[in-house]
Amino acid sequence: GDSVTQMEGPVTLSEEAFLTINCTYTATGYPSLFWYVQYPGEGLQLLLKATKADDKGSNKGFEATYRKETTSFHLEKGSVQVSDSAVYFCALTPSGNTPLVFGKGTRLSVIA
Amino acid sequence: NAGVMQNPRHLVRRRGQEARLRCSPMKGHSHVYWYRQLPEEGLKFMVYLQKENIIDESGMPKERFSAEFPKEGPSILRIQQVVRGDSAAYFCASSRQGVEKLFFGSGTQLSVL
Repeated sequence: GDSVTQMEGPVTLSEEAFLTINCTYTATGYPSLFWYVQYPGEGLQLLLKATKADDKGSNKGFEATYRKETTSFHLEKGSVQVSDSAVYFCALTPSGNTPLVFGKGTRLSVIA
Repeated sequence: NAGVMQNPRHLVRRRGQEARLRCSPMKGHSHVYWYRQLPEEGLKFMVYLQKENIIDESGMPKERFSAEFPKEGPSILRIQQVVRGDSAAYFCASSRQGVEKLFFGSGTQLSVL
């Protein structure tokens, strides 16, 4: 079945460091890909998404590119802030109505 | 414009009791999804409902778990005869149509003693 694999955390970075969180997927066809963020004590929030190959999703300085040849959707940010500390989830859906399949999440801690 | 509301935030039950988790979707949203998050695990899909209909319950355990989304009122996830393994965070998400833009609630943390 469809699945998402994320790099394991936790990831600890200093403020202004470069961030990469790897995400690869297994799916038939052309899934839509998502990154969600979960701040402490809160529900998940959509961070960005991409719906077809080579699309780049971006939001709040984060970006990810849909790479079909490597089945990847890595999350990047050029300069992280303490406020970016959260758990990041990669997810996919094979089609618009099929429930999202999530990775296990990667906890990011940014220290000043 | 209120977001997805889940209550209670924390629920403590003893083994064998029933747990009822409530989810009020955002205004205008008729699609509701329930997910369960175990410690150090990602979210696992449980059930997808539209008003008065269960669309996909492929992630629901066959016994003790049930869900509804009545014409009026919130969606309810019911767990009968809870066991310790049911301890988890349960999240509800809603949308107007499909999963391309889901809004999540803050979750209900269920603890079974």
